[in-house]
Amino acid sequence: DAGVIQSPRHEVTEMGQEVTLRCKPISGHNSLFWYRQTMMRGLELLIYFNNNVPIDDSGMPEDRFSAKMPNASFSTLKIQPSEPRDSAVYFCASSSTSGGGNEQFFGPGTRLTVL
Amino acid sequence: SQQGEEDPQALSIQEGENATMNCSYKTSINNLQWYRQNSGRGLVHLILIRSNEREKHSGRLRVTLDTSKKSSSLLITASRAADTASYFCATDAGGNNRLAFGKGNQVVVIP
Repeated sequence: DAGVIQSPRHEVTEMGQEVTLRCKPISGHNSLFWYRQTMMRGLELLIYFNNNVPIDDSGMPEDRFSAKMPNASFSTLKIQPSEPRDSAVYFCASSSTSGGGNEQFFGPGTRLTVL
Repeated sequence: SQQGEEDPQALSIQEGENATMNCSYKTSINNLQWYRQNSGRGLVHLILIRSNEREKHSGRLRVTLDTSKKSSSLLITASRAADTASYFCATDAGGNNRLAFGKGNQVVVIP
């Protein structure tokens, strides 16, 4: 299996622009998580989905952030408009509720820089 | 909310020495997990210990869990330069398959 796939790996954009981050979870996994990591705030859970349904989006910073999961193999995290304080590494992770354990498998992350 | 809290926050050791880090949590759990993050990469799952287990081994890793004290420790024996990374504990108290991660513990192994 290729693991969790994220794109792009790096994104540099200007303040006010729309940013879309993409994630393909591991096939067969039914939970998907979006995290943001910064030096100041550490690893923060933004939103997670079970069976393509958003369960908890309380970690989403504000209305500028939105996430979708149209099917079991694809999710997007969109920031519109972007701001410099959104600069961070964004991780997608997936896991399975079957098998007893709930280990999460992380993608390589998208490093976002908003100028 | 983040629940796990690792201690110490940063550790620098010589290659071959053992590295120990601790994690505390606040609520009841079903399991506790440890993850490693190398610089510039995603987190990688290392080991999971269930609430009814007290100790678990995986290669050079040894994890203990004390549910009465709500704490866990991760021991890396005979450390190598490649063990240089940040280590996170995570608990499943959030429910719905989510995990609550600690702030991470940076370990530097000096060759």
